[in-house]
Amino acid sequence: NAGVMQNPRHLVRRRGQEARLRCSPMKGHSHVYWYRQLPEEGLKFMVYLQKENIIDESGMPKERFSAEFPKEGPSILRIQQVVRGDSAAYFCASSPGQGASTEAFFGQGTRLTVV
Amino acid sequence: GQSLEQPSEVTAVEGAIVQINCTYQTSGFYGLSWYQQHDGGAPTFLSYNALDGLEETGRFSSFLSRSDSYGYLLLQELQMKDSASYFCAGSSGGSYIPTFGRGTSLIVHP
Repeated sequence: NAGVMQNPRHLVRRRGQEARLRCSPMKGHSHVYWYRQLPEEGLKFMVYLQKENIIDESGMPKERFSAEFPKEGPSILRIQQVVRGDSAAYFCASSPGQGASTEAFFGQGTRLTVV
Repeated sequence: GQSLEQPSEVTAVEGAIVQINCTYQTSGFYGLSWYQQHDGGAPTFLSYNALDGLEETGRFSSFLSRSDSYGYLLLQELQMKDSASYFCAGSSGGSYIPTFGRGTSLIVHP
């Protein structure tokens, strides 16, 4: 059973371009969370999705950022017109269900660098 | 909202015991989790406490006191490979979304 797969592992974009980050959850997991991490800092929640639904996007900027988790295929975090401040590691986590004790399994992350 | 506070760095020597504290301020709190992260890699789940008391898993133990809004991770018989960042995470509200502290960098010296 493969773990959470994120790609690409590293992504370089010029200012103004679009960045698309993909996350394939573990098999059987229908809950996906996206987090952003800056160096020496914690994981900042961005968005929580279930299949075809955004459950909570309170941590995601209203502009330029969007996320989806279609019925088929990976979850996508899209950042339009990237700026240098978007440079960070973006982690995806999945879980089999909802519950406070449910362990979240993380992917290896995508390191986005905006030049 | 939630707020979790933990020390930024802890150092210890191999074989020693170290405790990483976490205090939280949150309403409707469900429980406290701990995650380990090596060098910016994937965070991995260590433990979860829903009830007060100590949970032991091998060399690692985790404690929770709801009345004090406080928990800790205890690492025994430290090994060099334990050098990593450790995050406490809480969940509350209806959506159980894990909210993470800023992390504690543990440095284990020979």
